[in-house]
Amino acid sequence: TQLLEQSPQFLSIQEGENLTVYCNSSSVFSSLQWYRQEPGEGPVLLVTVVTGGEVKKLKRLTFQFGDARKDSSLHITAAQPGDTGLYLCAGARGAQKLVFGQGTRLTINP
Amino acid sequence: NAGVTQTPKFQVLKTGQSMTLQCAQDMNHNSMYWYRQDPGMGLRLIYYSASEGTTDKGEVPNGYNVSRLNKREFSLRLESAAPSQTSVYFCASKTGVQETQYFGPGTRLLVL
Repeated sequence: TQLLEQSPQFLSIQEGENLTVYCNSSSVFSSLQWYRQEPGEGPVLLVTVVTGGEVKKLKRLTFQFGDARKDSSLHITAAQPGDTGLYLCAGARGAQKLVFGQGTRLTINP
Repeated sequence: NAGVTQTPKFQVLKTGQSMTLQCAQDMNHNSMYWYRQDPGMGLRLIYYSASEGTTDKGEVPNGYNVSRLNKREFSLRLESAAPSQTSVYFCASKTGVQETQYFGPGTRLLVL
C-alpha cells in the first residue's frame, strides 16, 4: 500500500513549458518534504512545508502544502533542461520516519 | 566533511550468500536509516536507529539485520541473499531535531 501517491510518474516536456507534480494521501502528515534525485546519487532535500496552506518558492519552483496537510504540489515555471531528474515527495510520520511517494521522473527536452 | 558515505558502491551476489553494507556519517547525527529503492516504488524504509544503541524495524525489514556500531556507523546485513533483494540501497542520517535527512550515494546490489 502506497501511502503517498505521486502523479504523474513520468513527464517529458519541452524547455520553457510549465508543469505541476502532485503528491496525494489519505493520511495527515506533520510536514511534507520534496527531494530531487540525480542518476547515481542519493536524494537531496529541496524544501520542507509544515503548515497547512503553506506556499514556498525556490526560484522557479513553487511548493504548496494542502490545507488539510494530506497533499502537496510542486509547480515549475519555464522548465529548464537542468530541472531534469527524479522528484520525490515524503511525508513525516512522527519524529523519525518518512514515507516516500513513488517519484516523478521529469525530462526537460531542449 | 564527507557527509554520508556508503560501501561498496556495487555488489553482485549469488542467492544464499551473505554480505554487509556499510554506512558512516561525519555530521554527528543521532538518527540513521536504511532504505531500498526499486523502480516505481520510491524509497522504502528497512530499519532505522533513532540514537546510538537503538534500532527499529521499518516498512520492509524481512531478510535484513542492522547494527548501530557507534554514533557514526550503521550497517545493514543480508544473511542469505535472495533475488528479491536486488535493489539500490541508501543510507541516510539526520539530527534529532531537524527533519532533513541526508542521503549517501547508494549501493547497487544484484542478487543472481
